[in-house]
Amino acid sequence: DTEVTQTPKHLVMGMTNKKSLKCEQHMGHRAMYWYKQKAKKPPELMFVYSYEKLSINESVPSRFSPECPNSSLLNLHLHALQPEDSALYLCASSQDQGGYNSPLHFGNGTRLTVT
Amino acid sequence: AQKITQTQPGMFVQEKEAVTLDCTYDTSDQSYGLFWYKQPSSGEMIFLIYQGSYDEQNATEGRYSLNFQKARKSANLVISASQLGDSAMYFCAMRRNSGNTPLVFGKGTRLSVIA
Repeated sequence: DTEVTQTPKHLVMGMTNKKSLKCEQHMGHRAMYWYKQKAKKPPELMFVYSYEKLSINESVPSRFSPECPNSSLLNLHLHALQPEDSALYLCASSQDQGGYNSPLHFGNGTRLTVT
Repeated sequence: AQKITQTQPGMFVQEKEAVTLDCTYDTSDQSYGLFWYKQPSSGEMIFLIYQGSYDEQNATEGRYSLNFQKARKSANLVISASQLGDSAMYFCAMRRNSGNTPLVFGKGTRLSVIA
């Protein structure tokens, strides 16, 4: 079983909907990440939180809004998405942000379809 | 800038045979970490093995081993005694040891194990 839990597993939403993706980890990790993965491509970094503060935003459109309520939780709020935003969204955590020997642990992902 | 290259888009291997997945990297840093991840069709990104740039011994984890050749900047994954459940996409990735260091992925290799 993965130690990073993502909900929901699947999500279908219209372009005018507002939805949220949730991620939770209980490994005591202080860095959390959102990645977006299109089919047959590697994951692309979207956001990084370190000690509950946003440290990296990879020029992600504002229709994606991350939130880190506490060290265990990470949300991704979605609003007015486009069909091209359909993808697998992966959450990950690591012991800290800067350590090169600290692996990222990923959740199962949320498969998002925008209609 | 750091870069990961996986030159094999797809590989086939007979069950119970060993297989090597290639990975080369490019970085000017002295301190870095190399990781391999497995992604089955279900979507979860599973951490397999880690090799640090200063590690003199090749990393091993069960049936996985990492053939690390620092001078050639290669970090190939060797899977011994392949099983049908090993069929998946495999990503090589790297982290640097400086500041904000997101995980950088290669394009991946799709491994198919044949009975």
